[in-house]
Amino acid sequence: KNEVEQSPQNLTAQEGEFITINCSYSVGISALHWLQQHPGGGIVSLFMLSSGKKKHGRLIATINIQEKHSSLHITASHPRDSAVYICAVTGNQFYFGTGTSLTVIP
Amino acid sequence: EAGVAQSPRYKIIEKRQSVAFWCNPISGHATLYWYQQILGQGPKLLIQFQNNGVVDDSQLPKDRFSAERLKGVDSTLKIQPAKLEDSAVYLCASSLQGEKLFFGSGTQLSVL
Repeated sequence: KNEVEQSPQNLTAQEGEFITINCSYSVGISALHWLQQHPGGGIVSLFMLSSGKKKHGRLIATINIQEKHSSLHITASHPRDSAVYICAVTGNQFYFGTGTSLTVIP
Repeated sequence: EAGVAQSPRYKIIEKRQSVAFWCNPISGHATLYWYQQILGQGPKLLIQFQNNGVVDDSQLPKDRFSAERLKGVDSTLKIQPAKLEDSAVYLCASSLQGEKLFFGSGTQLSVL
């Protein structure tokens, strides 16, 4: 069993739709990261959370420490949001989810 | 602000050959990470440095992989000898301690 589980694995949306990607983890953590990886590109860190909620532009990340769950929301999605979104947690070690592949269709 | 620099961008070698990757983190970032990302999987941490000391190398295959960060700045990751299953993207990241990660563009390794 993976320490970090993401859902869905794949997601296709129409431009403008509201998107939610979920992350659940089973270990004690000090922080949770949401990362974005474009095809053939490097990885960009979107958020680092230890509690509550953070917002950056059209992206919102929330975390519930008690439930060991985090969500990444994208409002008014756009084709340039198409990428793999990876959840990672840091505690005693780094654990990564396998990613959610998002495709936004114009 | 300059990002995390990695080289080479691509490398193709035959099995049993040796290969080395280089990473220059963001200036001032004490923490440096090397990750291996196999196609279709999430990144796997290979080694974490704090300045020039190793914090975590529990998932580093030490029989063939080695890494160093001698002066606490740039770092090299070496594979000797390479196996087919080492084909992956090798990512370097850095951070101020406990802060947001910054990733390099990675080195894509193909072992034939």
